[in-house]
Amino acid sequence: DPKIIQKPKYLVAVTGSEKILICEQYLGHNAMYWYRQSAKKPLEFMFSYSYQKLMDNQTASSRFQPQSSKKNHLDLQITALKPDDSATYFCASSQTGENYAEQFFGPGTRLTVL
Amino acid sequence: SQLAEENLWALSVHEGESVTVNCSYKTSITALQWYRQKSGEGPAQLILIRSNEREKRNGRLRATLDTSSQSSSLSITATRCEDTAVYFCATDPTGGNNKLTFGQGTVLSVIP
Repeated sequence: DPKIIQKPKYLVAVTGSEKILICEQYLGHNAMYWYRQSAKKPLEFMFSYSYQKLMDNQTASSRFQPQSSKKNHLDLQITALKPDDSATYFCASSQTGENYAEQFFGPGTRLTVL
Repeated sequence: SQLAEENLWALSVHEGESVTVNCSYKTSITALQWYRQKSGEGPAQLILIRSNEREKRNGRLRATLDTSSQSSSLSITATRCEDTAVYFCATDPTGGNNKLTFGQGTVLSVIP
């Protein structure tokens, strides 16, 4: 059974619209993350959460808002979508309190903004 | 700017051969991680090597770390077709190894 679920796998949106990317992990981890991977850039760290609290935000734009409704959920809301937002978004999780803890990545959501 | 980067964009080897992927980084680190990403999947950690370690092994994988030259290598012996993937090195500039900075990746193709 998949340990980290990301939905949907593929997403197409029009410029200016809003979408929510879903992430659920069943590894019992307390830390969750979002990363973005686009064709032009390496995998980029976006956010980290620990016990449902924001720990680090490396995303300059407020159009990206993580939402944690449950301990094992960390969704990503993206508003006013732009074509440059087209990328694959990966959710990851790790054990809180462990330095050097291995991060486990989900399969990703590929977002295309037209 | 990239804090970690692999030195070659693409490599191909024949099955059974050995291969080495190299990585250089620009800041002091407490640990460096190697990840592999197969097509259509998320990255998966292969090896984590701490700054006080010079070598770490995991099955057919061997990672080295040279903090004086700020470089690392990942060697794979007896390659298999399923080793075909993109290999990344990753570091956390804050030292906690939670906010990972990835390199561009080296595409490895293992030819049957």
